[in-house]
Amino acid sequence: KQEVTQIPAALSVPEGENLVLNCSFTDSAIYNLQWFRQDPGKGLTSLLLIQSSQREQTSGRLNASLDKSSGRSTLYIAASQPGDSATYLCAVTGGGTSYGKLTFGQGTILTVHP
Amino acid sequence: SQTIHQWPATLVQPVGSPLSLECTVEGTSNPNLYWYRQAAGRGLQLLFYSVGIGQISSEVPQNLSASRPQDRQFILSSKKLLLSDSGFYLCALGGPSGGNTIYFGEGSWLTVV
Repeated sequence: KQEVTQIPAALSVPEGENLVLNCSFTDSAIYNLQWFRQDPGKGLTSLLLIQSSQREQTSGRLNASLDKSSGRSTLYIAASQPGDSATYLCAVTGGGTSYGKLTFGQGTILTVHP
Repeated sequence: SQTIHQWPATLVQPVGSPLSLECTVEGTSNPNLYWYRQAAGRGLQLLFYSVGIGQISSEVPQNLSASRPQDRQFILSSKKLLLSDSGFYLCALGGPSGGNTIYFGEGSWLTVV
């Protein structure tokens, strides 16, 4: 059974800092990995999708890397802003007949203070 | 672009009452559709997924059921709610191949009292 772990559970940083969120998964036979953002009381917003054959994806100040063989992914946020405050979730999809079903980590609660 | 509509956004229901949460999607055809639940202090759990009309797979045994009467409509139901059914219910869609980005709706908050 796939298990996804995110470290740290919570992170508080001053504005402007670069930061790294970590995600690990137990079964390396994944199809892809996705990072989401969730604001309080809201749905999930997809940030980045990394296919299993890829090493990284970038979108603006966000960069996600994937090391499938070691079961790890990192989300790098450059020059953090108060608007980045949210819960960040990592999720993986298995291959074959998984039909895109996601297994989520517990999330990292990020607070960026001015 | 793809959009997901969920309603109601918020619901307070007594124990033992029925439930119907509706999800409709636009901007796509033949999507895979999913119902997830996020309970207080717990992570996101997949409840049901559907790869087509009338095709429902359940991931966990529970008090809930799902139906897909149309290609772009996914409904979550219960005949008699339990306190443990309280949570944040999210509808999601993905491409038919299962390898695409998964998109989520804004969710429905259910409180069973």
